[in-house]
Amino acid sequence: EDQVTQSPEALRLQEGESSSLNCSYTVSGLRGLFWYRQDPGKGPEFLFTLYSAGEEKEKERLKATLTKKESFLHITAPKPEDSATYLCAVQVWKTDSWGKLQFGAGTQVVVTP
Amino acid sequence: EADIYQTPRYLVIGTGKKITLECSQTMGHDKMYWYQQDPGMELHLIHYSYGVNSTEKGDLSSESTVSRIRTEHFPLTLESARPSHTSQYLCASSETGPGGDTQYFGPGTRLTVL
Repeated sequence: EDQVTQSPEALRLQEGESSSLNCSYTVSGLRGLFWYRQDPGKGPEFLFTLYSAGEEKEKERLKATLTKKESFLHITAPKPEDSATYLCAVQVWKTDSWGKLQFGAGTQVVVTP
Repeated sequence: EADIYQTPRYLVIGTGKKITLECSQTMGHDKMYWYQQDPGMELHLIHYSYGVNSTEKGDLSSESTVSRIRTEHFPLTLESARPSHTSQYLCASSETGPGGDTQYFGPGTRLTVL
């Protein structure tokens, strides 16, 4: 069975204190790994898609990387506005044309001034 | 970035009422989805659609029903609301890309059944 596990569950950072979030996955055939940001009471906001091991993507203070077993979301010099829950999701190859997203439980990040 | 809209944003309703949550997208995406999310918990897929006149149930069993008569519209209906239906409902849409389907989410509807 496909599984997605995110760690830690919660992370409290001082402004400027860089850190990394982990998303480990066990799937039959990875089609894509997705990172989202979710603010309280809102829908997830798309950040990145990674397709193959070794791939990296960056956006402002965020950088996502992918290996064959896990993905990391690095937050460099975070600011209070980076406070949110970060969700990881995987999509696997299926025999039909549709591949659902399986979400992890998320990492809640709080950045204090 | 997809433009996807959900109404109402908040709904408080009594037990037994029929409700419809609206979801519309303007990107022409062929696939649409409904998720349910309780506070601090994971998203769970309850319905999805490949296209017009195509609907399937997701991983989480739900008493709700959906329809897809137009590409841009994917409403969710509860015939008789119960307190156990209290949750956040999130709609998403995607188009098939070369590597995978990126799903874009609406703002959600927070449903409270008294």
